Amino acid sequence: AQTVTQSQPEMSVQEAETVTLSCTYDTSESDYYLFWYKQPPSRQMILVIRQEAYKQQNATENRFSVNFQKAAKSFSLKISDSQLGDAAMYFCAYRSARTGNQFYFGTGTSLTVIP
Amino acid sequence: GAGVSQSPRYKVTKRGQDVALRCDPISGHVSLYWYRQALGQGPEFLTYFNYEAQQDKSGLPNDRFSAERPEGSISTLTIQRTEQRDSAMYRCASSFYSGTSGFNEQFFGPGTRLTVL
Repeated sequence: AQTVTQSQPEMSVQEAETVTLSCTYDTSESDYYLFWYKQPPSRQMILVIRQEAYKQQNATENRFSVNFQKAAKSFSLKISDSQLGDAAMYFCAYRSARTGNQFYFGTGTSLTVIP
Repeated sequence: GAGVSQSPRYKVTKRGQDVALRCDPISGHVSLYWYRQALGQGPEFLTYFNYEAQQDKSGLPNDRFSAERPEGSISTLTIQRTEQRDSAMYRCASSFYSGTSGFNEQFFGPGTRLTVL
C-alpha cells in the first residue's frame, strides 16, 4: 500500500490570509493521481483539487492551488484569502494510475480559520 | 438520487451482533468502494467492486468483514460478531468507470457511523 503523510495535525490561519498544508507520499510508481479532500463538521467528503502526476503544471481552483514537486514526492495545498467556510479537516489522497482505483489517504490536517 | 446514499446513517449495536451497512451508488457508476474512517484519521480502504465483481478485498481487516454487490449496483458491507474496535464511520464511494487512467473521481456518501457497545 502507498503511504501518505500529513505532518501537520492542526493548522490555523487568520481570515483573508494564506495558509499552506503539507502532504508527502511514498511510491515507486511514475503514474498516479493526487487529490485534496475537505471534510467539514458535517463529515461530508468534498473534492477540493486534483493533480495528474505527469503534468508539471500545478493545478489551481479559484483560491486553492497546489505545489506539486514530483521528485520530492510532495503535494502541498495553498489556500489564499482564507474564509471562515474553509475551516475543516483536509485530507490528501493518492491513487495509482495502474494498480487499482482505491485511494490512500493521509491522516488529515485540521484547519481553523480565525476571524 | 443525485449522490451516493448510505443507510443507516447511525447504527448502535451490542458486541457480538451482526450488522449490515448498505450503499446505493450514483446511478450508472461502475465502481464502488468501501472505506473505514476512525475518529481523527483519514479513510482507510477496505474493498472495491467493478460491476458485481469484487476486485480487491485486501483492506478488509479480518474474516468477520465481507461485502457484496450482487447486481452491480447496491452493495452491502457485513460485519459479523461485532467488536468494540469496529466502531468507526464506514464510508462508501462510487466512480463512473473501472479504468485506472484518468482522474476517475470518487464521489463519497455521507457514511454510516457504527458504534459497538
